[in-house]
Amino acid sequence: EAGVAQSPRYKIIEKRQSVAFWCNPISGHATLYWYQQILGQGPKLLIQFQNNGVVDDSQLPKDRFSAERLKGVDSTLKIQPAKLEDSAVYLCASSRGQGLAKNIQYFGAGTRLSVL
Amino acid sequence: GQNIDQPTEMTATEGAIVQINCTYQTSGFNGLFWYQQHAGEAPTFLSYNVLDGLEEKGRFSSFLSRSKGYSYLLLKELQMKDSASYLCAVIGTGGSYIPTFGRGTSLIVHP
Repeated sequence: EAGVAQSPRYKIIEKRQSVAFWCNPISGHATLYWYQQILGQGPKLLIQFQNNGVVDDSQLPKDRFSAERLKGVDSTLKIQPAKLEDSAVYLCASSRGQGLAKNIQYFGAGTRLSVL
Repeated sequence: GQNIDQPTEMTATEGAIVQINCTYQTSGFNGLFWYQQHAGEAPTFLSYNVLDGLEEKGRFSSFLSRSKGYSYLLLKELQMKDSASYLCAVIGTGGSYIPTFGRGTSLIVHP
């Protein structure tokens, strides 16, 4: 079974520029998550999708961040414009569904963003 | 809201046993997960607890006490490859099963 695919692996941009990340979850997984992980901290949930609907985006800075999962499969996360404090690893994860026993998350390798 | 507390760093010797604690204060509880994350890599699932007690899985065990808001991960027969960050994640109540992660415990295993 193929894992969660993310691209790019690394991205360096200047502040105020825009950037987009892509995620393809494990086939058949209904739930998709985007996390921000700052060095030395645990992952912070930005947005959670169930199929193509948003379950929770309470921690997504909506003035600059946006995410979509139009066909209920792959997803993109965008930052526009980027700030220095956005430097982090952006992790995508997927899980089969919302039932607890099914909610084991499988993570992609992440995109390491550096904002200069 | 959710508050999850883990020690920042621990060290242990190869072959020994180590216990990593996690305490939590959450608005409701629907389960607790442990993930392992090697430096520069993605987290991988280790275990989850829904009911009180011990769950054993090879060299790794996880314990939960819901009344105390407390869990631990026990690693036996430590190997060098166990050097990693260990993340505790709590699922609160509500139909969305939204996870909240602690900041992680960095475990260093030395010879």
